[in-house]
Amino acid sequence: QVQLVESGGGVAQPGRSLRLSCEASGFTFSGNAMHWVRQAPGKGLEWVAVISNDGSRQHYADSVKGRFTISRDNSRNTLYVEMSSLRAEDTAVYYCARGSGSYDYFDHWGQGSPVTVSS
Amino acid sequence: DIQMTQSPSSLSASVGDRVTITCRASQTISNYLNWYQHKPGTAPKLLIFAASNLQTGVPSRFSGSGSGTDFTLTISSLQPEDFATYYCQQTYITPPITFGQGTRLEIK
Repeated sequence: QVQLVESGGGVAQPGRSLRLSCEASGFTFSGNAMHWVRQAPGKGLEWVAVISNDGSRQHYADSVKGRFTISRDNSRNTLYVEMSSLRAEDTAVYYCARGSGSYDYFDHWGQGSPVTVSS
Repeated sequence: DIQMTQSPSSLSASVGDRVTITCRASQTISNYLNWYQHKPGTAPKLLIFAASNLQTGVPSRFSGSGSGTDFTLTISSLQPEDFATYYCQQTYITPPITFGQGTRLEIK
């Protein structure tokens, strides 16, 4: 069965960096676009970034553009997001999600990795 | 960016009730509209894709309709496990992919 397992979350100081990973199994990882989505405390879901199946194209939400970098290693079945210049407002649970179909719906999600940005 | 507006923001209902949640897009999105259920501490779950298609394994009491700018999610007979927050999402004009603000469904 499809599984997505995030890791790498924790506490970081403002201005520092953190890298999240999402290990995929149960499907052909190189066949799907992958996304990061976050949920800040008490808030709704916010799309963060997407990377194409071959890693050649990436897009970002304006709130993270220039600070976050999404990447993938299809040989390791792993998705990443490098988060730099972290701000307090980046505090959230971060989910990876698989994009599917021509409508790019998110049919499988990880369990979430909490990130807290605080001094 | 396309703005997605859900109504109501919160809703109290009883087991067995029929519930409808609406989602309006700021411009036409054809049928590129998906619905998710989210419970605290768990991964969001896809319910409906392409406005009206039931995801595999989702109970048939869930249904979706609409096209263009106006969409609805209906739960025909609420079950205890349905109390959660529901989000609509558009994937028509991206980036960015945008979600509605969520509808919190609570037990009356």
